[in-house]
Amino acid sequence: EDQVTQSPEALRLQEGESSSLNCSYTVSGLRGLFWYRQDPGKGPEFLFTLYSAGEEKEKERLKATLTKKESFLHITAPKPEDSATYLCAVQALSAGGSYIPTFGRGTSLIVHP
Amino acid sequence: GAVVSQHPSWVICKSGTSVKIECRSLDFQATTMFWYRQFPKQSLMLMATSNEGSKATYEQGVEKDKFLINHASLTLSTLTVTSAHPEDSSFYICSARNWGGGNQPQHFGDGTRLSIL
Repeated sequence: EDQVTQSPEALRLQEGESSSLNCSYTVSGLRGLFWYRQDPGKGPEFLFTLYSAGEEKEKERLKATLTKKESFLHITAPKPEDSATYLCAVQALSAGGSYIPTFGRGTSLIVHP
Repeated sequence: GAVVSQHPSWVICKSGTSVKIECRSLDFQATTMFWYRQFPKQSLMLMATSNEGSKATYEQGVEKDKFLINHASLTLSTLTVTSAHPEDSSFYICSARNWGGGNQPQHFGDGTRLSIL
């Protein structure tokens, strides 16, 4: 069974204090690992797709990396507006022939000014 | 690009009423759409996957007669909660994925908060 585990569950940072969020996964036939940001009362917003080990993607203060077993979302010098829940998901081929997403429980990030 | 519109954003109705939620991909063709349910401070729970022109595939434990899903076109999927009861109150979110399958991201609507009195 495909599994995605995110840690920590919650993270509090001071503005400017860099840190990393972790997403470890076990899946057969990985087609992509995805990072999303979710604000309260909203749907998730797509951030990055990573396809193969060693790949890195950057967007403003965020950088996502991928190994064969886990992905990290690095946040450099975060600002209060980076506060959100960050979700990690994988997509793999199901027995029925469709690519079904599996989400982690998310990391709730709060950045204090 | 990749905008998904979900309506309504908020519904309050009496027990026994049926409620329809629409999910539209505005600027791309969504060969696959997903419907999720999310409880407070919890992650997304996949309810069903629908491919355009096909019957939806429901996850284990989701009643297909309770949650009717239609995906009649490449830009529209609907979720109808039939004879809704208070325990159906939740935050429902749809997502759409372009052709290309597993290496394509999902794009989400902003969700529908359903409250059944």
